[in-house]
Amino acid sequence: GAGVSQSPSNKVTEKGKDVELRCDPISGHTALYWYRQSLGQGLEFLIYFQGNSAPDKSGLPSDRFSAERTGGSVSTLTIQRTQQEDSAVYLCASSPGHPTPVMNTEAFFGQGTRLTVV
Amino acid sequence: QKEVEQDPGPLSVPEGAIVSLNCTYSNSAFQYFMWYRQYSRKGPELLMYTYSSGNKEDGRFTAQVDKSSKYISLFIRDSQPSDSATYLCAFTSGFQKLVFGTGTRLLVSP
Repeated sequence: GAGVSQSPSNKVTEKGKDVELRCDPISGHTALYWYRQSLGQGLEFLIYFQGNSAPDKSGLPSDRFSAERTGGSVSTLTIQRTQQEDSAVYLCASSPGHPTPVMNTEAFFGQGTRLTVV
Repeated sequence: QKEVEQDPGPLSVPEGAIVSLNCTYSNSAFQYFMWYRQYSRKGPELLMYTYSSGNKEDGRFTAQVDKSSKYISLFIRDSQPSDSATYLCAFTSGFQKLVFGTGTRLLVSP
């Protein structure tokens, strides 16, 4: 694909339900990020995958949030027992990630998944 | 103290004005300093990056980094209505996560 693809583009869910958000990064990119952006706010870091290294999960706001990246490609962000404060745009990005650190500076973002918890 | 501080704006200027956008940061490990631009309902896109201190120019855009003051700036010359967007500073120490500022909303009026 030409860019980072996220699905679904919009998701409305009832409070307490689980949701799964999918990200297809650019082929060959070893670094993958999840951020979320609330209305009028900046990008809140959630999780970062870099190659085969252990992911940086330091931004996950609670144990209801988890993410995995299978085969170094597709990633899924799962939110269990959704709450209204989880409503936001969830952005995925990927970058070449290697062989030099500068390859980590340009992150290519998808269009995001707009999650609304009602 | 927040790791990155950025004034959210909005910053309103007339077409042709020089715009100055700024961020401060606290993490001395940051080595790469970036500016992203985000149009409404789109993902951010990289404008330019700078490694370590100094200036970098790309057309109407100039990025400045002062590591001693932990302060970075983005200057836009001859601003255009099409420059209206949110500008986010971003930082990384290398093979680490990108840390973003909250973004400054810029409005350039014709």
